[in-house]
Amino acid sequence: DGGITQSPKYLFRKEGQNVTLSCEQNLNHDAMYWYRQDPGQGLRLIYYSQIVNDFQKGDIAEGYSVSREKKESFPLTVTSAQKNPTAFYLCATRGRATYTQYFGPGTRLTVL
Amino acid sequence: QKEVEQDPGPLSVPEGAIVSLNCTYSNSAFQYFMWYRQYSRKGPELLMYTYSSGNKEDGRFTAQVDKSSKYISLFIRDSQPSDSATYLCAMSAGNQFYFGTGTSLTVIP
Repeated sequence: DGGITQSPKYLFRKEGQNVTLSCEQNLNHDAMYWYRQDPGQGLRLIYYSQIVNDFQKGDIAEGYSVSREKKESFPLTVTSAQKNPTAFYLCATRGRATYTQYFGPGTRLTVL
Repeated sequence: QKEVEQDPGPLSVPEGAIVSLNCTYSNSAFQYFMWYRQYSRKGPELLMYTYSSGNKEDGRFTAQVDKSSKYISLFIRDSQPSDSATYLCAMSAGNQFYFGTGTSLTVIP
């Protein structure tokens, strides 16, 4: 995790509620990513952002939304439209001159 | 066909054994290859990365890339119980990254 923080570590949500997951970085990296991790399915890309005020959908964007108002922050909102939101969510960054990603510690979301 | 294939294991070895973890891929455009280690309920930690084909060594870890076969490997020498984790391979050709599903490794003392 290093300079990437995600909060909260655990989050519980009732069905029908929206919830926002926080991701903050102090690495001065341009690109930020959100992944979802489910057992046996690896990491699936939800959204990514290369620069402030710009972001692109990943493979499983339906039911999620993001914003990128600051370079340091890339919050993810899980909306009530997401049918199966219980999962482990990971935020990652990539610097302009690097070709690898660095991950935050993750947020475990459970829908009750 | 998935972009990246990785045997999920689980793999169980005695302490001190040499461990071999592997991934295959289908996209010949991939240029950067990474291995991550992930402990339970934690974020993945970057172990090693290589560019194009070849070998890279870092302590007990060696990463190999064979682009002609579209095959990458991670070797762990003198494995330790603390190496028990899930190992993810990853690769990229630009801004997006593609991950294997991970191999679960247990090193038995």
